Amino acid sequence: EPEVTQTPSHQVTQMGQEVILRCVPISNHLYFYWYRQILGQKVEFLVSFYNNEISEKSEIFDDQFSVERPDGSNFTLKIRSTKLEDSAMYFCASSALTGGETQYFGPGTRLLVL
Amino acid sequence: KQEVTQIPAALSVPEGENLVLNCSFTDSAIYNLQWFRQDPGKGLTSLLLIQSSQREQTSGRLNASLDKSSGRSTLYIAASQPGDSATYLCASGEYGNKLVFGAGTILRVKS
Repeated sequence: EPEVTQTPSHQVTQMGQEVILRCVPISNHLYFYWYRQILGQKVEFLVSFYNNEISEKSEIFDDQFSVERPDGSNFTLKIRSTKLEDSAMYFCASSALTGGETQYFGPGTRLLVL
Repeated sequence: KQEVTQIPAALSVPEGENLVLNCSFTDSAIYNLQWFRQDPGKGLTSLLLIQSSQREQTSGRLNASLDKSSGRSTLYIAASQPGDSATYLCASGEYGNKLVFGAGTILRVKS
């Protein structure tokens, strides 16, 4: 069964460093998303992406964050200058042809900022 | 701003029991309601999606209902098993395809 994959599974970085989290969505999906879950808190929406542009973003998704689909398979989240409070599990998700469809989540990348 | 609440926060039941997990949302203008399962330290597994025009969806021992007007959804698990132990999350599907999540119900099924 097709699934969303994410790399790396864990990343440790120093405050102020740039990190890139990578995702490979399900191959025939066209809508892509990033969410995050700070330990012990709710899963929070960051951004949705369709047709090579951001379609919706949350207040969390400020200028320090960016997303990109550099080729036909990868979808990346970049954090330019990490802060301690960026430590969280980051989930990528994708959905099929139209919005309102089931979103399928990857296993997540656990980011720890020291 | 949409708020999603799940009750109870935790539930412990003996194996074989039927159980109901509750989800409520403050803004009824949702596109859909999705239920997920999350195992410790893992990603989210989609269980059921109910479109806003639907009343319920079933998959195996799981049945989810949606009452938009009252802002409620329930997940019914029949004949619970120890393997059902996990955190169950509900999420409302909003404009822009974003999901707004509840905090989850931690379920433990004792053998």
